[in-house]
Amino acid sequence: QQQVKQSPQSLIVQKGGIPIINCAYENTAFDYFPWYQQFPGKGPALLIAIRPDVSEKKEGRFTISFNKSAKQFSLHIMDSQPGDSATYFCAAKEGNSGYALNFGKGTSLLVTP
Amino acid sequence: EPEVTQTPSHQVTQMGQEVILRCVPISNHLYFYWYRQILGQKVEFLVSFYNNEISEKSEIFDDQFSVERPDGSNFTLKIRSTKLEDSAMYFCASSGRAGTGELFFGEGSRLTVL
Repeated sequence: QQQVKQSPQSLIVQKGGIPIINCAYENTAFDYFPWYQQFPGKGPALLIAIRPDVSEKKEGRFTISFNKSAKQFSLHIMDSQPGDSATYFCAAKEGNSGYALNFGKGTSLLVTP
Repeated sequence: EPEVTQTPSHQVTQMGQEVILRCVPISNHLYFYWYRQILGQKVEFLVSFYNNEISEKSEIFDDQFSVERPDGSNFTLKIRSTKLEDSAMYFCASSGRAGTGELFFGEGSRLTVL
């Protein structure tokens, strides 16, 4: 059973565009939703994260939008750059008693010059 | 900047052999994890470790797997008898706080089972 569903699988945008990556979940015990960025040959690196008590969080060019009632959250990258080309994973974790991050399948983003 | 380091970066082994993957977590972190990523697929949780014991493990982490913190710095994953399907990138991660998804990942150890 896939706990976190992520789409699209791949995405190509031009420099300056705003790619949007979507994730959905079913487990209402999830209370922490991070996004990880992974470059080829590297481990995932935490990009930005949100808890369900807020609907939006912005850090630099990266914004998470969170819809608790729909159990969906998304990542927006403003003014995307070729250096943003990477694989992006959404994830979710149960409350403080849980340790495991449940990852989505990832979105391969290519930002063209 | 502190980082999680993993060795080896790539290991090739024959099916049925034992493999030990090593990790040095960030020095003041207390929570340690192993994840794996089969080529082109999502990152999957294997096990978490705190206070010298397993705190949570997934269905993937069966009796063939074990973890150990043999000293104050290393954190190891042992696969007793490797199978072809164990071929994957194995990531070690650590965090400084419980209940957080703020994990710091190493660059991974690629395991190829022939």
